[in-house]
Amino acid sequence: AQTVTQSQPEMSVQEAETVTLSCTYDTSESDYYLFWYKQPPSRQMILVIRQEAYKQQNATENRFSVNFQKAAKSFSLKISDSQLGDAAMYFCAYRKRYNDMRFGAGTRLTVKP
Amino acid sequence: DSGVTQTPKHLITATGQRVTLRCSPRSGDLSVYWYQQSLDQGLQFLIHYYNGEERAKGNILERFSAQQFPDLHSELNLSSLELGDSALYFCASSGAEGFTDTQYFGPGTRLTVL
Repeated sequence: AQTVTQSQPEMSVQEAETVTLSCTYDTSESDYYLFWYKQPPSRQMILVIRQEAYKQQNATENRFSVNFQKAAKSFSLKISDSQLGDAAMYFCAYRKRYNDMRFGAGTRLTVKP
Repeated sequence: DSGVTQTPKHLITATGQRVTLRCSPRSGDLSVYWYQQSLDQGLQFLIHYYNGEERAKGNILERFSAQQFPDLHSELNLSSLELGDSALYFCASSGAEGFTDTQYFGPGTRLTVL
């Protein structure tokens, strides 16, 4: 079974600094997608970034980038120039072809002014 | 705004009752997914519909059922409600059955069972 592990229940970062959230997953598949979703206090689930497993290049979206290590089954999220609006729960998710999405337990990110 | 709508936003009911949650996917999306987010279980996949047909089931209780209608909106029916069913229920939609699609989430329905 595919599992997603986020080992950091809580993280804190100073405004304008950089923070990295960790995620590992377990799978025997070669084709899959990985995602980071953000859930602010409004509880809306917002897609931050996604990575196709067959792509070696790490995905980037503005201040958000990932470090995808396929062999190590690691998928970390780096947030640069952190802003107060980045404060939220961050969920790492895995999806295999035609399957449902599996989520990690989440990391609560606090941004200090 | 993801383009996925869910109604109602909040629902308060009593144990033993039955409720229906509604989801309208993004325009053009054929797939609808339902998830349950509770404090102790995290985000759990319940069920997936594609163009009116059930495609996959996750940790969905027998007391729960869902369907997707010809206009592609979906309803999640929860019956014989228990206190433990209190949770945030999300609907998500995507544009294709294949794994290349991304799921976009609605704002959720918060269910409180008293």
